[in-house]
Amino acid sequence: GAGVSQTPSNKVTEKGKYVELRCDPISGHTALYWYRQSLGQGPEFLIYFQGTGAADDSGLPNDRFFAVRPEGSVSTLKIQRTERGDSAMYLCASSPRGTSEAFFGQGTRLTVV
Amino acid sequence: AQSVTQLGSHVSVSEGALVLLRCNYSSSVPPYLFWYVQYPNQGLQLLLKYTSAATLVKGINGFEAEFKKSETSFHLTKPSAHMSDAAEYFCAVSYYGNNRLAFGKGNLVVVI
Repeated sequence: GAGVSQTPSNKVTEKGKYVELRCDPISGHTALYWYRQSLGQGPEFLIYFQGTGAADDSGLPNDRFFAVRPEGSVSTLKIQRTERGDSAMYLCASSPRGTSEAFFGQGTRLTVV
Repeated sequence: AQSVTQLGSHVSVSEGALVLLRCNYSSSVPPYLFWYVQYPNQGLQLLLKYTSAATLVKGINGFEAEFKKSETSFHLTKPSAHMSDAAEYFCAVSYYGNNRLAFGKGNLVVVI
């Protein structure tokens, strides 16, 4: 499998709980992005990593959301004290250095009940 | 700020008929433009992209799009719709030096 891999594919959690969503990008891709897609909407940017550092985290909605990429490959999106409004499809994408083309994973559908 | 407008959330097209999905963008600098397709319960797949080369861009599955700077548009077309084209289509914009994509709301294409 050479594509972007996201796990789990589905996650149901109770309001107030903590969740982690994982993204495994295409090998060698230096850029990694997280997007959130609500029902009937286009994806909305959350955060962008170039290597290990977050180059742009301006899309994170509040301080309950945090993402890491400690070794410049796998990334984890962490959501604390989940709320029902966090329910959405969370998409991860990666790009090779120097290109504008993003390759998307199949997403994690998060449902907060 | 960059943004994308896609009008008409649902588009019905007869099999064999022309598919036309409209996309208009606003960007303060020359844009990079993309069309993505999303099949049910799947991630986004790139159909085609414009990155300041030829203004008429050909993509996968018989789709093409034309960049028109004077109209700030990047409409997607396919001459003859097939049942397998039923999916949601998203237009997106970014620009050099800023890798984040700004997406439109999408068009859900139904082939009848």
